[in-house]
Amino acid sequence: GAVVSQHPSRVICKSGTSVKIECRSLDFQATTMFWYRQFPKQSLMLMATSNEGSKATYEQGVEKDKFLINHASLTLSTLTVTSAHPEDSSFYICSARVVTGVGEAFFGQGTRLTVV
Amino acid sequence: LAKTTQPISMDSYEGQEVNITCSHNNIATNDYITWYQQFPSQGPRFIIQGYKTKVTNEVASLFIPADRKSSTLSLPRVSLSDTAVYYCLVGDGGKLIFGQGTELSVKP
Repeated sequence: GAVVSQHPSRVICKSGTSVKIECRSLDFQATTMFWYRQFPKQSLMLMATSNEGSKATYEQGVEKDKFLINHASLTLSTLTVTSAHPEDSSFYICSARVVTGVGEAFFGQGTRLTVV
Repeated sequence: LAKTTQPISMDSYEGQEVNITCSHNNIATNDYITWYQQFPSQGPRFIIQGYKTKVTNEVASLFIPADRKSSTLSLPRVSLSDTAVYYCLVGDGGKLIFGQGTELSVKP
């Protein structure tokens, strides 16, 4: 099946710094990618939808100036957590579909962010 | 987007068949039903997708009644490695919104 790769898998940063997470579709082109956040023992929460070549669409309550999303190519989307604080510590997951419309969505392995 | 309701948790034993039911009373005509599996600290993994009646693949079956207001994921002869959270999603190809999921625990 198609592969979505996230990097890094784990990152620890100091409070106030920024962290960039990369999401790559390795063997297919992804017009649309999705970014999720998951806290312990909770479900995945959709943060934003990333479209190649255009601005991301953020879900209600997600600060677009804090969570910067860039989808510069059909195989790469990045999420930058700016001025990170301990409450931003979470598991971040990206996803992409092979084709537009219904069908299997592929997820990255996730990135564990810890802000100290 | 249609809201889904699943049991929060289920217990089973190795070798048993497990059925997880999901309610989606306001499913739309264009919506498909998709199930994902998630292990701790990993991204979700696609299990199966269907629109109506029954779909079967190498790992599971999906049963959807005629009114499509619910669906049942059937896992035959579960093993310890099937311990995970299972999510039922309903959508037409747009955003993937996850509900609470069902935490399945398989015991020896």
